[in-house]
Amino acid sequence: QSVLTQPPSVSAAPGQKVTISCSGSSSNIGNNYVSWYQQLPGTAPKLLIYENNKRPSGIPDRFSGSKSGTSATLGITGLQTGDEADYYCGTWDSSLKVFGGGTKLTVL
Amino acid sequence: EVQLVQSGAEVKKPGESLRISCKGSGYSFTSYWINWVRQMPGKGLEWMGRIDPSDSYTNYSPSFQGHVTISSDKSISTAYLQWSSLKASDTAMYYCARHPRYTNYFDYWGQGTLVTVSS
Repeated sequence: QSVLTQPPSVSAAPGQKVTISCSGSSSNIGNNYVSWYQQLPGTAPKLLIYENNKRPSGIPDRFSGSKSGTSATLGITGLQTGDEADYYCGTWDSSLKVFGGGTKLTVL
Repeated sequence: EVQLVQSGAEVKKPGESLRISCKGSGYSFTSYWINWVRQMPGKGLEWMGRIDPSDSYTNYSPSFQGHVTISSDKSISTAYLQWSSLKASDTAMYYCARHPRYTNYFDYWGQGTLVTVSS
């Protein structure tokens, strides 16, 4: 199993808000920045959030990130059908990159 | 425009060797680490290891140490992932991704290379 724990799936209706959690420990999330990646079906992952809560250029402000202690959260507001994807959190743990197991978002 | 372009899909037999590549362009290749990430069919992302192209320093996940070799050639801005003896369990999509020095996020990813190992 993954070092970081995410719910396997979440769902919500178009226009609604959803949050995805990522739980770790003091050796990873507790002492490092968290990043989030979106993987649309059949494509490579894409950076969504970096350094806990920063958005790369081109990522809409519907996407947000936060971190508290050894957990992090990705928030998506105004859900669109195009947001259906797998979402992964990631950080470092003793010079090793670790990912969460991924969360499949379904927009009903 | 920053790009990481990976080599094409491969079909190999168990026991064969393989090297796949990741060519960077649009940026200073030696200023960013290159990482390799495995994604087995229907599964999540697994970090395999990384290389600093400026001096070829590498570090590997314990799960992959000894099973693969990561290398690079800075003269042609290309990183490699290599196997000496493939197994059926190596069947997966492999991505390269860069991360800026002194940071921990992967800001650009390659398109992926599908490796299929079957007798």
